[in-house]
Amino acid sequence: DAKTTQPNSMESNEEEPVHLPCNHSTISGTDYIHWYRQLPSQGPEYVIHGLTSNVNNRMASLAIAEDRKSSTLILHRATLRDAAVYYCILNRGSARQLTFGSGTQLTVLP
Amino acid sequence: DTAVSQTPKYLVTQMGNDKSIKCEQNLGHDTMYWYKQDSKKFLKIMFSYNNKELIINETVPNRFSPKSPDKAHLNLHINSLELGDSAVYFCASSQGQVTGELFFGEGSRLTVL
Repeated sequence: DAKTTQPNSMESNEEEPVHLPCNHSTISGTDYIHWYRQLPSQGPEYVIHGLTSNVNNRMASLAIAEDRKSSTLILHRATLRDAAVYYCILNRGSARQLTFGSGTQLTVLP
Repeated sequence: DTAVSQTPKYLVTQMGNDKSIKCEQNLGHDTMYWYKQDSKKFLKIMFSYNNKELIINETVPNRFSPKSPDKAHLNLHINSLELGDSAVYFCASSQGQVTGELFFGEGSRLTVL
């Protein structure tokens, strides 16, 4: 199965944009790129997903490299409530693949 | 209304005991899952049910037995608990095959002494 690599931690200032990177150099053509986040003491929460084109929703934007070997989750204005662990996962349409790695711990500074 | 609810939220028990965790979803989804999150925060799928039928059973010991009485419920029963079973167990649900969104419960923290 294709794997993803994310930085262990990142910091951002409140109300500034945050770019969370994810490398997935062994991605296959049918792998969707999913992002989830986990707030302290809560279950993971879906953020966004995409296949090839950039995607926007009310929570975030997903920028996917042209070769699809990397992607970036963009939070346009970080708030203190965005402090969480962010997971980048590849999914070929099977829940069996939805194993979450260690993710990126995002700290938002006031 | 909570979309995916699990009970209990905390469970402390002795080695060798048998315990159950219950999960209910009110989203009308047809697929439910159990995930285990270990101390290193890795979250790994254990089981998946679609319309009450088991479709994913990862390499989980036989001591773990899921039961789905109906589409809205997926319970997890664990026999002969071991220290290594200590973890947070998350229930989740989705509609159909997973190319979209999984909805997770808040988790059940199991501590085996």
